[in-house]
Amino acid sequence: GAVVSQHPSWVICKSGTSVKIECRSLDFQATTMFWYRQFPKQSLMLMATSNEGSKATYEQGVEKDKFLINHASLTLSTLTVTSAHPEDSSFYICSARVISGGVGSTDTQYFGPGTRLTVL
Amino acid sequence: KQEVTQIPAALSVPEGENLVLNCSFTDSAIYNLQWFRQDPGKGLTSLLLIQSSQREQTSGRLNASLDKSSGRSTLYIAASQPGDSATYLCAVRAFTGSARQLTFGSGTQLTVLP
Repeated sequence: GAVVSQHPSWVICKSGTSVKIECRSLDFQATTMFWYRQFPKQSLMLMATSNEGSKATYEQGVEKDKFLINHASLTLSTLTVTSAHPEDSSFYICSARVISGGVGSTDTQYFGPGTRLTVL
Repeated sequence: KQEVTQIPAALSVPEGENLVLNCSFTDSAIYNLQWFRQDPGKGLTSLLLIQSSQREQTSGRLNASLDKSSGRSTLYIAASQPGDSATYLCAVRAFTGSARQLTFGSGTQLTVLP
């Protein structure tokens, strides 16, 4: 099956620094990637939808200047948490969308393993 | 706005029992519904995907049903094992919109006791 990787798997940083998280589709091309955030014992909340070569669409309440998303190629999207604060500590998960056309077309998302961010 | 609810929030059962996890959604105009498993501190593993035109999907000891008109899905786990312990998430994909976003439920934390 399709594989999505994330790097790093965990990161600890000081308050005020910026952290970049990479999301890669390893054996397929994804025109759309999604970024989610998950707080402890809560479900995944969609932060933004990223389309290759265009600006990301952010969900209500998500600061686009704080969570910078770049989708420079069909296999790579990055999320940069700028000027991180302790309240940004969370589990960040990316997902890549694959659409297959023709008869029996499918629309499927494959998820990365997640990145645990801890801001001290 | 689509809302997805999962009941119960937590469930503890002895090994070998059959169990049912419930998922309900408010907007029946869905493209598909997917059940995921999430182990602590890990990402998501897709278990079953049911297209809007389907009624159920089966994979091994897992069976997922979909009743779109009533906005409900169930995940049936037969002969549960300690290795089944995890959080199970239900997610529905919107039918409209270019991105067809997934909306997740809050999950059911399952513990299977040996």
